[in-house]
Amino acid sequence: DGGITQSPKYLFRKEGQNVTLSCEQNLNHDAMYWYRQDPGQGLRLIYYSQIVNDFQKGDIAEGYSVSREKKESFPLTVTSAQKNPTAFYLCASSIGRIHTEAFFGQGTRLTVV
Amino acid sequence: ELKVEQNPLFLSMQEGKNYTIYCNYSTTSDRLYWYRQDPGKSLESLFVLLSNGAVKQEGRLMASLDTKARLSTLHITAAVHDLSATYFCAVDMAGNKLVFGAGTILRVKS
Repeated sequence: DGGITQSPKYLFRKEGQNVTLSCEQNLNHDAMYWYRQDPGQGLRLIYYSQIVNDFQKGDIAEGYSVSREKKESFPLTVTSAQKNPTAFYLCASSIGRIHTEAFFGQGTRLTVV
Repeated sequence: ELKVEQNPLFLSMQEGKNYTIYCNYSTTSDRLYWYRQDPGKSLESLFVLLSNGAVKQEGRLMASLDTKARLSTLHITAAVHDLSATYFCAVDMAGNKLVFGAGTILRVKS
């Protein structure tokens, strides 16, 4: 079945640690996105990528990094520079270009301990 | 900067009643999406609206888009408990960047 797979589902991070969230899609979509959702809030865009080896900052990119070495993979690293990383992280993909309907993974819930 | 505003942010309805959720956005766009999110879950695509005057219906939900007014509506007809969820609209900003509204929490009471 085609879809978007995020892992892990739950992640605990110690203060000062970097952690990487995985996002893989087999939909052959060009565009991929990372969003952050805080409790009771909407989604805020962290980074997005429209093509392999290229990505753009979203509205809240500080403290995060991404790579897009393969079309199907768009991992997100939450660095120690992100002071308040506890949130629900959602990865999405879309065909790209004019087809921007986004399909979402199941999310990763990150907690700082 | 594109801003997307939804109202109301919280809606408590009785079963069988009708209501409308509004989504206003601040700059020109003709592509708008509605999503549903259940507690602790991811987002599920409900409607894709790609032109002025577009209307889509699925069961008790109907969505419309007026690009001139920069307004989309999500109308709920004869609400049932299973519709309880958070509903988001998202607007496509030039450059394939989706901007989301804050979401409307819908609770349907029996």
